[in-house]
Amino acid sequence: DAEITQSPRHKITETGRQVTLACHQTWNHNNMFWYRQDLGHGLRLIHYSYGVHDTNKGEVSDGYSVSRSNTEDLPLTLESAASSQTSVYFCASSEYQRELTLYNEQFFGPGTRLTVL
Amino acid sequence: TQLLEQSPQFLSIQEGENLTVYCNSSSVFSSLQWYRQEPGEGPVLLVTVVTGGEVKKLKRLTFQFGDARKDSSLHITAAQPGDTGLYLCAGVSNYGGATNKLIFGTGTLLAVQP
Repeated sequence: DAEITQSPRHKITETGRQVTLACHQTWNHNNMFWYRQDLGHGLRLIHYSYGVHDTNKGEVSDGYSVSRSNTEDLPLTLESAASSQTSVYFCASSEYQRELTLYNEQFFGPGTRLTVL
Repeated sequence: TQLLEQSPQFLSIQEGENLTVYCNSSSVFSSLQWYRQEPGEGPVLLVTVVTGGEVKKLKRLTFQFGDARKDSSLHITAAQPGDTGLYLCAGVSNYGGATNKLIFGTGTLLAVQP
């Protein structure tokens, strides 16, 4: 069965360290997204990609970067981790949307809980 | 910046009670989705509503999209402990191009006590 996985599931790091969170999907979806989830804020979009070599900034992209070298993976890198980046991170993917009036379901991974000390 | 406010933020009820969750915005959305998230997992899509005034039913869950496409509600009849979870609304905006992004609401955490 197709799926979307994230690793690690839990990570503790120190302020200033570089951290990379992995996201891998076997749906063969063109679209991939990274969100962070914090109490009272719901899910906020960090970065997204519509295909290989395409990346775009979301509403909370400062301090994060992504790269898309293949269809299956969209790793998220925290350049220099800060305590404000302690959060739960979700990766999601969806099919390419062929019609403006049709919005495809996003499939989410299980999340990575990141703690920055 | 488009915002989606959900109310209430927390809700604890007894099994068998009815409840309504609201999702409001000052922005117009082309469609709106509702997701449910259980502890330790990612959100899972429940429904998409597209037309203003549209009502969709999913067993004991009734979803409505406002006439002006700025708000939505989720009504659960005779809630059960299995309904416990975080409910998220998400609005779809047409930014142009063939692929759009979701704007998620602030979430409603529902606990149904047996």
